[in-house]
Amino acid sequence: QLQLQESGPGLVKPSETLSLTCTVSGGSISSSSYYWGWIRQPPGKGLEWIGSIYYSGSTYYNPSLKSRVTISVDTSKNQFSLKLSSVTAADTAVYYCARHRRRPGIGALDYWGQGTLVTVSS
Amino acid sequence: QSALTQPASVSGSPGQSITISCTGTSSDVGGYNYVSWYQQHPGKAPKLMIYEVSNRPSGVSNRFSGSKSGNTASLTISGLQAEDEADYYCSSYTSSSTPYYVFGTGTKVTVL
Repeated sequence: QLQLQESGPGLVKPSETLSLTCTVSGGSISSSSYYWGWIRQPPGKGLEWIGSIYYSGSTYYNPSLKSRVTISVDTSKNQFSLKLSSVTAADTAVYYCARHRRRPGIGALDYWGQGTLVTVSS
Repeated sequence: QSALTQPASVSGSPGQSITISCTGTSSDVGGYNYVSWYQQHPGKAPKLMIYEVSNRPSGVSNRFSGSKSGNTASLTISGLQAEDEADYYCSSYTSSSTPYYVFGTGTKVTVL
């Protein structure tokens, strides 16, 4: 059974960089069939897609966050990572990693991690 | 790109059927058959319930069904059960220059 697990600091200071890693188990991140994405959800609010990556390293970003987002993949560790720079309180959210078939938007998000709350505060 | 529009809340009694709407534009819901629906219980990750408008993933109850007409997609839950009480989000592919995934505003389903 495929499992995804987010990890990283739960507290980040304003203006610093948020860094999270998603570890995939029960399947290979190098499969040509899948893409791997990050989605976030501010407390009490809706979902927002941040971006996705293919095992080859091709990336796709939400244009509203593109200038601050970097997603990378480490196939040797079966992990992919998110970096969000210059964070503010508005970036406080539960961050989820997820899998999707086909390109972003076309492929439904069929497996999700449990999510990790990141709070931006001094 | 604005979020897709969903009703804030929908309620029904056990055994009844309810329908949640998801309204977009011809650039997203109306233009493509790439609408998905997600169920989210409090404190839990979203779960895929419907993909490509009307397809159910393996393991999802056939009480859940999806459809689309014009720029509006719909999720119907038949034979409503207490365990169906949750938040539901639609999502669509968008051809605009903004996010590839656009999500709906979310609907709270209450089982009376």
